[in-house]
Amino acid sequence: GESVGLHLPTLSVQEGDNSIINCAYSNSASDYFIWYKQESGKGPQFIIDIRSNMDKRQGQRVTVLLNKTVKHLSLQIAATQPGDSAVYFCAEKATSGTYKYIFGTGTRLKVLA
Amino acid sequence: DAGVIQSPRHEVTEMGQEVTLRCKPISGHNSLFWYRQTMMRGLELLIYFNNNVPIDDSGMPEDRFSAKMPNASFSTLKIQPSEPRDSAVYFCASSFAAGGQPQHFGDGTRLSIL
Repeated sequence: GESVGLHLPTLSVQEGDNSIINCAYSNSASDYFIWYKQESGKGPQFIIDIRSNMDKRQGQRVTVLLNKTVKHLSLQIAATQPGDSAVYFCAEKATSGTYKYIFGTGTRLKVLA
Repeated sequence: DAGVIQSPRHEVTEMGQEVTLRCKPISGHNSLFWYRQTMMRGLELLIYFNNNVPIDDSGMPEDRFSAKMPNASFSTLKIQPSEPRDSAVYFCASSFAAGGQPQHFGDGTRLSIL
């Protein structure tokens, strides 16, 4: 469905703890997913992606988990740092051959010192 | 490597004026996207180019909006005449392929129409 960004959910995490940001996607046929980080005054920055034939992918300090059964995507950030404070978006691409992505409303991550 | 470069970063103008936003995609990318971001609607796709050809402009709000891509390294989004409701952050993004590859975004143009 359409995303309406009236109010961003906020996740507050203590520095050094792990963060988990969740995203429910809409289309069971979506075959590719991306997590973006957006800092204030900047554009969305690519963090990590995953294709539908996988259920887990790891990067540097980040892990993306995909649960196709319940159409759920999560981003785990290990040892959260102050520089991780930002808004995080998930994006899904619906089926192969399309260029359109559906972006989530975003979650604001606040890292507490 | 240089990322997607947008200009200007900020634009403030009076309603009725023409506004031109510019974008230089990442070299080698053949797909270019213009998005608009607002608090109310999040990120909305306005138009998509592939190999400099507009493929889908169904997201362009009205005839007041137009976009061009004269070559692989430059695109413009024009609003004429501008209205206060056009105020938003406009992002350009590029990717190596249309789908299945991450889109890389510029830092946007924050547009305010008074």
